[in-house]
Amino acid sequence: DIVMTQSPDSLAVSLGERATINCKSSQSVLYSSNNKNYLAWYQQKPGQPPKLLIYWASTRESGVPDRFSGSGSGTDFTLTISSLQAEDVAVYYCQQYYSTPGVTFGQGTRLEIK
Amino acid sequence: EVQLVESGGGLVQPGRSLRLSCAASGFTFDDYAMHWVRQAPGKGLEWVSGISWNSGSIGYADSVKGRFTISRDNAKNSLYLQMNSLRTEDTALYYCAKSTSYSSPSYFDYWGQGALVTVSS
Repeated sequence: DIVMTQSPDSLAVSLGERATINCKSSQSVLYSSNNKNYLAWYQQKPGQPPKLLIYWASTRESGVPDRFSGSGSGTDFTLTISSLQAEDVAVYYCQQYYSTPGVTFGQGTRLEIK
Repeated sequence: EVQLVESGGGLVQPGRSLRLSCAASGFTFDDYAMHWVRQAPGKGLEWVSGISWNSGSIGYADSVKGRFTISRDNAKNSLYLQMNSLRTEDTALYYCAKSTSYSSPSYFDYWGQGALVTVSS
């Protein structure tokens, strides 16, 4: 199984500042035939199901604010929130969908306001 | 509007069985693979099982293999998870999640609100 490791486990950032969350996979999730990274990011607020933010490592889901961006390739990925808003307080998860039969998630990163 | 509504959760004793259902609407159900993902209280997300659009491809996490069975009824736009020989460590909120692919592993663009399963004596 591909193991996904996020860092840090928790993060406190001031409103309006940049937040950066990292995700590392135990093996590459870049599929050479189509040059796509099989990596997604989700946001989960308390009492709610996860919400898709980013897929193919850097494609923003429709309706997601452009302050959210994803980057990286191969085994190292980053979710960046360019200017933190109060409503961004949540737990963020990365997920690989490269391997079969199942996907795996990172352990989650809790984002709070400093 | 896409909706996924889970049902069938509850309190069950260790070793007993439970069947979860997920009613889907707002999209062409038989065009997409469907999955179950669980979240133990205060913990992260764990993929449980997935089924392709025509039930031809099915997968399970090692933690539930041999005990859980996923199925779907495309005529009823419904997804199921039969859970046997339940253990205390199966206690979790079980989410139904829609894939963006008809078969291969993918990301999930819609999630239900979850069904809580509590395994305790």
